[in-house]
Amino acid sequence: KQEVTQIPAALSVPEGENLVLNCSFTDSAIYNLQWFRQDPGKGLTSLLLIQSSQREQTSGRLNASLDKSSGRSTLYIAASQPGDSATYLCAVGSDSWGKLQFGAGTQVVVTP
Amino acid sequence: DTAVSQTPKYLVTQMGNDKSIKCEQNLGHDTMYWYKQDSKKFLKIMFSYNNKELIINETVPNRFSPKSPDKAHLNLHINSLELGDSAVYFCASSQVVAGELFFGEGSRLTVL
Repeated sequence: KQEVTQIPAALSVPEGENLVLNCSFTDSAIYNLQWFRQDPGKGLTSLLLIQSSQREQTSGRLNASLDKSSGRSTLYIAASQPGDSATYLCAVGSDSWGKLQFGAGTQVVVTP
Repeated sequence: DTAVSQTPKYLVTQMGNDKSIKCEQNLGHDTMYWYKQDSKKFLKIMFSYNNKELIINETVPNRFSPKSPDKAHLNLHINSLELGDSAVYFCASSQVVAGELFFGEGSRLTVL
């Protein structure tokens, strides 16, 4: 059974610093991997989707890498801003049916 | 113009009651999902429909019954509510099966 772990559970950084968020998974036979952010009391917002054949995806200040062999994905957020404060969730899709296994998330606080 | 909308946003009810949560998406997506986020914030998939056909049915009590009257709607009916059903229920959609997920804002169910 796929297990997804996100460490640390919480992170606080000063504004302007780069953020590095980690996601590890136990079964390297994945279909895809998605990163989301969740604001308090809100739904999840998709940030990046990486297919199993891809090594990375980029969108603006966000870059996500995928290393299936080591069971890891890393989300980089450049030049963090207070508006980046949220919980970031990693979700691994292990098949083509769309069933995602979520990590518990990393709660990020960016201080002005 | 909300892409994935759920109603109601909050629901407080007594044990033993029956309740429904409705979900609608205006993105033209083919696939819709129900996820449950428990008190520990873990997100778990419950059901998925593709073109009104059930494709994912996780180990969920049969008190939970999804219904998809058309591609744009996916409802969740819960019979004989129990205390452990208290959670936030999220609806999501994707253009294709296992595609990028778009979430609604969630429906917080509290069973007393």
